[in-house]
Amino acid sequence: SAVISQKPSRDICQRGTSLTIQCQVDSQVTMMFWYRQQPGQSLTLIATANQGSEATYESGFVIDKFPISRPNLTFSTLTVSNMSPEDSSIYLCSVERVETTNEKLFFGSGTQLSVL
Amino acid sequence: AQTVTQSQPEMSVQEAETVTLSCTYDTSESNYYLFWYKQPPSRQMILVIRQEAYKQQNATENRFSVNFQKAAKSFSLKISDSQLGDTAMYFCALWGWHSGGSNYKLTFGKGTLLTVNP
Repeated sequence: SAVISQKPSRDICQRGTSLTIQCQVDSQVTMMFWYRQQPGQSLTLIATANQGSEATYESGFVIDKFPISRPNLTFSTLTVSNMSPEDSSIYLCSVERVETTNEKLFFGSGTQLSVL
Repeated sequence: AQTVTQSQPEMSVQEAETVTLSCTYDTSESNYYLFWYKQPPSRQMILVIRQEAYKQQNATENRFSVNFQKAAKSFSLKISDSQLGDTAMYFCALWGWHSGGSNYKLTFGKGTLLTVNP
């Protein structure tokens, strides 16, 4: 199974600042996904990041607010820009792997973000 | 567009009893996967069980089994012999082709908070 290291695990930030979340995978993967989970809510896909191309954003999410980098096949970052209290959420990265086991998608442990 | 609906925000069950969580979905694709994920307070998303749409046989994993009704687009999860450690949020999810973004994506339901009581 894939091992995904996501950092930081949690942070408390001031309004107007930016936070960059890192996602490191222990093997090369084609597709990486970034999700937001607002308090008490389900997971919502922010964008899909493929190496070597621009990230594809879902409706309601824009690159200026959530810029994503994907410099290689094992690493990606999501930046939450110009934060407001409404950005307080859990952010998770996920990767798709073709595995022989039951799993197809793997998740990082999430970043708990609180904006004051 | 693909959608996943979980109509039970919360459920509770006594330890050792059986509980069924409901999920319905909608997609125009014929090739897709369905999943149940468990999310305990640790935030980690844990795969419980998965079902390929082309398989008629219902998936089972130890105490967990599904009732997959493809025509009705229904995918319920049955937990037998419930344990205290089963207490968590459970999400139903669909992995399928997302024509709007020209790629596959995983769409989640709103979740069901399951509490197992001693």
